[in-house]
Amino acid sequence: GQSLEQPSEVTAVEGAIVQINCTYQTSGFYGLSWYQQHDGGAPTFLSYNALDGLEETGRFSSFLSRSDSYGYLLLQELQMKDSASYFCAVSPLTDSWGKLQFGAGTQVVVTP
Amino acid sequence: DTEVTQTPKHLVMGMTNKKSLKCEQHMGHRAMYWYKQKAKKPPELMFVYSYEKLSINESVPSRFSPECPNSSLLNLHLHALQPEDSALYLCASSQDGSPRGTGANVLTFGAGSRLTVL
Repeated sequence: GQSLEQPSEVTAVEGAIVQINCTYQTSGFYGLSWYQQHDGGAPTFLSYNALDGLEETGRFSSFLSRSDSYGYLLLQELQMKDSASYFCAVSPLTDSWGKLQFGAGTQVVVTP
Repeated sequence: DTEVTQTPKHLVMGMTNKKSLKCEQHMGHRAMYWYKQKAKKPPELMFVYSYEKLSINESVPSRFSPECPNSSLLNLHLHALQPEDSALYLCASSQDGSPRGTGANVLTFGAGSRLTVL
């Protein structure tokens, strides 16, 4: 089986850098994804790591290390609009077609 | 068109009602999903359709009945629901359901249908 662990909440000021960790215990997976969800909104895809290493998309970067069973999402130059929930997710090797497993989510609160 | 459109946005129904949620995408995606989300929780997978065939049913009670009339449309028929079924129901699509690469890992979600069962 698989279990994804994320911190429940992170608070930071505008302009700061926030790192959201996602540690996992899983029998194997194809890759690690990250989604953002604002209150009352739909989840939005942010990034996907199929291989170990860093993926950068503007102010957001995502990292995966399979040997350390660990990944993170890095939010740089925080803006008020970045206040949202962030979910990591994996497609387990042992499960069938189309089954994305989400972590419990991290609430990011950005203060002025 | 890069959107997934869900209707209605809000739905209130009694336990004896029959209603349907609708979802539409025109991105040429061949996998479509229904997720259920409770407040402050992650989305929970309910059903997956791949190439218009039901490929995953996550042991969802039969009072929820999915239907995929064609590759662009996905419905969720609701009957005899319970108050605990009140939640945000999210539809999503992806290029295909492949767990490899960006198939099932890159989902485009609709804005959701917020369901209240009285």
